[in-house]
Amino acid sequence: DAGVTQSPTHLIKTRGQHVTLRCSPISGHKSVSWYQQVLGQGPQFIFQYYEKEERGRGNFPDRFSARQFPNYSSELNVNALLLGDSALYLCASRPGTINQPQHFGDGTRLSIL
Amino acid sequence: DAKTTQPTSMDCAEGRAANLPCNHSTISGNEYVYWYRQIHSQGPQYIIHGLKNNETNEMASLIITEDRKSSTLILPHATLRDTAVYYCIVRIKAAGNKLTFGGGTRVLVKP
Repeated sequence: DAGVTQSPTHLIKTRGQHVTLRCSPISGHKSVSWYQQVLGQGPQFIFQYYEKEERGRGNFPDRFSARQFPNYSSELNVNALLLGDSALYLCASRPGTINQPQHFGDGTRLSIL
Repeated sequence: DAKTTQPTSMDCAEGRAANLPCNHSTISGNEYVYWYRQIHSQGPQYIIHGLKNNETNEMASLIITEDRKSSTLILPHATLRDTAVYYCIVRIKAAGNKLTFGGGTRVLVKP
């Protein structure tokens, strides 16, 4: 079975631009979360979506937004990119039941010049 | 979520058991202990979780002290592919998807 897939794997942008990152969860998984991992640190929670509704938000500015589609895939959007947004962006999915752990994709490496 | 404390790094010999400690002295009664690891250039990988009983699966064993203030992840026969950063996370199971990652333990398995 395919795991969580994210695209693109790498991306280079310049300050002020916007970016859209995509995530396809494991088949049958209805809940998706996004994390940001700055080099040398652990991942930081950004958003959780379940059944297309936002169910949780971390301490990130409004420049960060996300949505989930009817097929449970998800997009993370970041506007007005800053140098500090350079990071690995991770997507995780789980079935939706609280008894199941999350499974992560290998992320999108975003570099801001 | 309760705060966890882990050693910054540790080495272990290939083929030997690796014992990774985690302190979570402020854990509350409804918080679970989760372990994830992150191999270089990959996303975090779920290993195991537990509430108060010891747990074992095909990857590892989780030993939780009786007072639940600390736990140990045991990799029974470490291989070079177990080299990774290991994260101990404490959270309420019904708290949605949010995982609060600390700095983790950087484990280097040496031949």
